[in-house]
Amino acid sequence: KNQVEQSPQSLIILEGKNCTLQCNYTVSPFSNLRWYKQDTGRGPVSLTIMTFSENTKSNGRYTATLDADTKQSSLHITASQLSDSASYICVVSVFGGYNKLIFGAGTRLAVHP
Amino acid sequence: EAGVVQSPRYKIIEKKQPVAFWCNPISGHNTLYWYRQNLGQGPELLIRYENEEAVDDSQLPKDRFSAERLKGVDSTLKIQPAELGDSAVYLCASSLDGEGTDTQYFGPGTRLTVL
Repeated sequence: KNQVEQSPQSLIILEGKNCTLQCNYTVSPFSNLRWYKQDTGRGPVSLTIMTFSENTKSNGRYTATLDADTKQSSLHITASQLSDSASYICVVSVFGGYNKLIFGAGTRLAVHP
Repeated sequence: EAGVVQSPRYKIIEKKQPVAFWCNPISGHNTLYWYRQNLGQGPELLIRYENEEAVDDSQLPKDRFSAERLKGVDSTLKIQPAELGDSAVYLCASSLDGEGTDTQYFGPGTRLTVL
């Protein structure tokens, strides 16, 4: 069964600190992996998209990594800001057909001053 | 560039009543998605359109849910009759063609509360 699991479920950090969110998947065949940021009361916004051949991609203070062999990804946030408080959702695309997306449940991050 | 527009933003109804949600995708986007998101969960696909054609509605509860995308632009999602378990956020998203690494752009969602 195609699944995406994220950890931790929630995380609290102090402003200025770094953090890393984890994503494990069992999706096959794999097409690409995406990280989304979802602010409370808003729709998800795409942060990064990585294909099989890419093992890292950055978007400002966000850096995503992908290990296609172990089927793991991480999202690293550097020098966190209060505005980073949100849910971060890992999404894996199934290759073929209509590019079905499998969503994780998300990690809820709270950045405190 | 205008984003995906959804209305209403909030809706409170009593069970067994009908409800409809409207979505206007980004101009030029051929692919449109409706998702349901329960609290603390990721979005779950209900239906996907390529232009006017529904290409994936396998997760749409067809006994009470219906959707349409006339002229391949705007879309409506309807629930009739609503049940308590339908309380959730309904998200609409659009993308250029839905293939490969095509980015999905989400609207703000409609928060539905069924009493």
